[in-house]
Amino acid sequence: DIQMTQSPSSLSASVGDRVTITCRASQSISNYLNWYQQKPGKAPKFLIYAASTLQSGVPSRFSGSGSGTVFTLTISSLRPDDFATYFCQQSYITPPFTFGPGTKVDI
Amino acid sequence: QVHLVESGGGLVKPGGSLRLSCAASGFTFSDYYMSWIRQAPGKGLEWVSYISSFGITTYYADSVKGRFTISRDNAKKTLYLRVTSLRAEDTAVYYCARTMGFFDSWGQGTLVTVSS
Repeated sequence: DIQMTQSPSSLSASVGDRVTITCRASQSISNYLNWYQQKPGKAPKFLIYAASTLQSGVPSRFSGSGSGTVFTLTISSLRPDDFATYFCQQSYITPPFTFGPGTKVDI
Repeated sequence: QVHLVESGGGLVKPGGSLRLSCAASGFTFSDYYMSWIRQAPGKGLEWVSYISSFGITTYYADSVKGRFTISRDNAKKTLYLRVTSLRAEDTAVYYCARTMGFFDSWGQGTLVTVSS
């Protein structure tokens, strides 16, 4: 199975900061990498697919990049609504669909 | 818009069983693969199972294989997960999600607590 890791596991940031989260796959997954945002007590929200394509309705301050084994999610200017946990997920070899352990972004 | 509503969770003793349901609306249910994904308290996301659009193909995580059964009723636009031989480590919020390699729509989840 493909294993996913994320770094950092948590970070503290301020409104207006640029934030970057890294996701790594245990083997090459081309660009089959997806990102989700989850707020406490809520279901995850789908943000990005194919490493860099924003889902409809996702603000343009979110961006994704990478291919192969290393991927990044960047929030260009953090808004109060962006404080949440972010998960990556590979869809290159499935099943199983595997998620990263998450990165918590807090104040 | 896509709407998914899970139900059927609750408190169950170890070794017990439940049937979880996910009612879908706002899209053509029979066109999509569907999945169950769970999240233990304070933990990350774990994919549990998925089913093809007409129910022909199913897959399970190793952790639930042989104990959980996914099914669907396209006429009722409903996804199911029969969970049996429950263990403490199955305690989690169970989400249903529309599946296209990624999971683009999620329900609000239903909590399953396994405890004596």
